[in-house]
Amino acid sequence: EAQVTQNPRYLITVTGKKLTVTCSQNMNHEYMSWYRQDPGLGLRQIYYSMNVEVTDKGDVPEGYKVSRKEKRNFPLILESPSPNQTSLYFCASSLQGTGEKLFFGSGTQLSVL
Amino acid sequence: RKEVEQDPGPFNVPEGATVAFNCTYSNSASQSFFWYRQDCRKEPKLLMSVYSSGNEDGRFTAQLNRASQYISLLIRDSKLSDSATYLCVSTHGGNQFYFGTGTSLTVIP
Repeated sequence: EAQVTQNPRYLITVTGKKLTVTCSQNMNHEYMSWYRQDPGLGLRQIYYSMNVEVTDKGDVPEGYKVSRKEKRNFPLILESPSPNQTSLYFCASSLQGTGEKLFFGSGTQLSVL
Repeated sequence: RKEVEQDPGPFNVPEGATVAFNCTYSNSASQSFFWYRQDCRKEPKLLMSVYSSGNEDGRFTAQLNRASQYISLLIRDSKLSDSATYLCVSTHGGNQFYFGTGTSLTVIP
């Protein structure tokens, strides 16, 4: 089944404790991206990647890192999480980029205490 | 200024009603447009792409007005299952997707 797999679904952590949210797609998509969703602000893009070893900042990249060492994986790293990073996070992919449909993972609800 | 703006609603309509949502975009160079549907706290799913000539998919019709920089979504014969948040999306050459904050629809029996 074609899908974007994102883990974990829920995560509670404390300020400053490094964490990684994993994202993997099995559709051989070139484009992958991360979003955070907050009430009243909608979905905002954090980082995106057009291909292996190619990543770019979105609108809200501060406090986040990503890597794209393999085509299928695009992990989101929070080196030192802070409470303002408490949010609902989505990973998404598309075949080649912005002209095409985005497939989303099921989301990660992160709470930073 | 936000790239994409939507009326958040909520829109509460009876079953069988016709409802329309508009969405404005700020960048005249925007190239692609989409409507996504999102059920509460779940992942967004593509409802339909929006083409320059307008397009229809069953009860749903999407239109693009480049002169006024807005897109619209019309839902006819609303069903209870149409209750969701509808997200407007635009893109332009920078390889980013820009999402509106969403319009909430509740269809009432």
